[in-house]
Amino acid sequence: GENVEQHPSTLSVQEGDSAVIKCTYSDSASNYFPWYKQELGKGPQLIIDIRSNVGEKKDQRIAVTLNKTAKHFSLHITETQPEDSAVYFCAASKGGNNRLAFGKGNQVVVIP
Amino acid sequence: DARVTQTPRHKVTEMGQEVTMRCQPILGHNTVFWYRQTMMQGLELLAYFRNRAPLDDSGMPKDRFSAEMPDATLATLKIQPSEPRDSAVYFCASGRFIDEQYFGPGTRLTVT
Repeated sequence: GENVEQHPSTLSVQEGDSAVIKCTYSDSASNYFPWYKQELGKGPQLIIDIRSNVGEKKDQRIAVTLNKTAKHFSLHITETQPEDSAVYFCAASKGGNNRLAFGKGNQVVVIP
Repeated sequence: DARVTQTPRHKVTEMGQEVTMRCQPILGHNTVFWYRQTMMQGLELLAYFRNRAPLDDSGMPKDRFSAEMPDATLATLKIQPSEPRDSAVYFCASGRFIDEQYFGPGTRLTVT
């Protein structure tokens, strides 16, 4: 089955700087790549997703880039703020009746 | 704004007791998932349903865990008998498709 890995496991950034989290996946047939944000005491919430027919998608301060050849995709957060501190999960799916395969999560800490 | 609801939010019980967790999926969502989250294992998929029928429960210890959808507005996860190693946060998620998942706030279970 699909194997999704995230790096680094923990990332600390100064407020205002950018943060980048990278995920790799194993199944070249995967075509849907969402990112979830989990704040303390809450469930993961979908923040952005990308499908394999595009290379980049942006929503305000967050963006996701996809490199299908290398089988990796990244989450970019610009102008980080304290409320960006959370655990971020990436996932991958082949679509259809295939479920999402989640990574282990990255802890992002934004230092004021 | 439509959300997945879960009850109870917290549960403390003694080893050997039965535990029932409930989930109300978002209206119109026909796919429901149960996950368990621990520090060591991350997010583990326990089971999921499509149109109330179980599609996959291979992630669930079948000797003690059971998952059902008595109707389209209620999903339940039962543990009988509970053990200390079952202590975790249990999330329910729902979606219109297999790879669309909106998570609830979770049930934090502590088994002493």
